[in-house]
Amino acid sequence: EAGVAQSPRYKIIEKRQSVAFWCNPISGHATLYWYQQILGQGPKLLIQFQNNGVVDDSQLPKDRFSAERLKGVDSTLKIQPAKLEDSAVYLCASSLGGGRGAYEQYFGPGTRLTVT
Amino acid sequence: QQQVKQSPQSLIVQKGGISIINCAYENTAFDYFPWYQQFPGKGPALLIAIRPDVSEKKEGRFTISFNKSAKQFSLHIMDSQPGDSATYFCAASNGYALNFGKGTSLLVTP
Repeated sequence: EAGVAQSPRYKIIEKRQSVAFWCNPISGHATLYWYQQILGQGPKLLIQFQNNGVVDDSQLPKDRFSAERLKGVDSTLKIQPAKLEDSAVYLCASSLGGGRGAYEQYFGPGTRLTVT
Repeated sequence: QQQVKQSPQSLIVQKGGISIINCAYENTAFDYFPWYQQFPGKGPALLIAIRPDVSEKKEGRFTISFNKSAKQFSLHIMDSQPGDSATYFCAASNGYALNFGKGTSLLVTP
């Protein structure tokens, strides 16, 4: 079974530029998550999708971050404009969704963003 | 507000020894407690998880001990190996987002 795919793996941009990350979850997984992992810390949820609907985006900085999951499969996370403090690894995770299957989350390799 | 507190921040264990990492939580609505292992440049990988209806779960060399009344849980790695050197994260969930601890960097020396 293929895992969660993410691209690009690395991205370096200057502050105030924009950037987009892509995620393809495990086939059949209805729930998709984007987490931000700052160096030396645990991942922190940015947004959770159930199919193509948003379940929780309370910690997403909506003035600069946006995310979509068209057709309920792959997802894109965008930052515009980027700030220095956005330097982090952006992790995508997926789970079966619904009932107890929602609990086991599987992570992709992440995209390491450096904002200079 | 850190919902899950993890200690120690770093740990050095000799090969063959026991590694113990502890976590505490506040939210009694949490009903799923996983541990993730993360190697440099990789995403977190699910290692083992427990629900509050059991006090212990063992999978190979990895054991979770859970104390519901104290709202604490811990990971024990028996017969630790150099290949276990990684960062370990505890987490807690009520079926939605995972709330992670800050992580423990484990180094197993030969």
